[in-house]
Amino acid sequence: AQSVSQHNHHVILSEAASLELGCNYSYGGTVNLFWYVQYPGQHLQLLLKYFSGDPLVKGIKGFEAEFIKSKFSFNLRKPSVQWSDTAEYFCAVNAPLNNAGNMLTFGGGTRLMVKP
Amino acid sequence: GAGVSQSPSNKVTEKGKDVELRCDPISGHTALYWYRQSLGQGLEFLIYFQGNSAPDKSGLPSDRFSAERTGGSVSTLTIQRTQQEDSAVYLCASSFEGQGGEQFFGPGTRLTVL
Repeated sequence: AQSVSQHNHHVILSEAASLELGCNYSYGGTVNLFWYVQYPGQHLQLLLKYFSGDPLVKGIKGFEAEFIKSKFSFNLRKPSVQWSDTAEYFCAVNAPLNNAGNMLTFGGGTRLMVKP
Repeated sequence: GAGVSQSPSNKVTEKGKDVELRCDPISGHTALYWYRQSLGQGLEFLIYFQGNSAPDKSGLPSDRFSAERTGGSVSTLTIQRTQQEDSAVYLCASSFEGQGGEQFFGPGTRLTVL
């Protein structure tokens, strides 16, 4: 079965600090990879995605992620965080279903708190 | 345009009662997913609909859970004889197609079983 691991459950940073959130997945086939963000009181929103091509993908709000196939990793980064980045971040990978659709398998999430 | 909507936003019920949760996907999206977000279990896939194909029910935790999608649009998730462990936020998502495209999530229904 596919699985996604996020190593950091809680991260506390000061504004302007750099951020890197780890994500590793276990799946031997072709994957699509996603980072979703859930701001307090809001629903899940897509931050960025990787389907193919350049393994360094850029998303909204200055976030980026690098797909390293050999390490089965898709770490999320931001050079300088802001207080407004306080949220919970979820890494996700698609997985094939019998009828050729793709559910998402999510990591456990990382709660980021940015201190002003 | 309108996003995915879910109703009710909150539902409190007594153990043993049945509940129905509704999802209105984004117009034109052919794929619809239900997930559950609970403490200790994270985000779990429940069921998936794609067009007129038979749904994939592989994530449903028990036979008390069922879902249907009428007319390829609105979906209802039904939980019969609710248990306290069913308490969670139930999320619906939709996408243009089921081939790994971006899924758009609704705000969820918070279910509390007393």
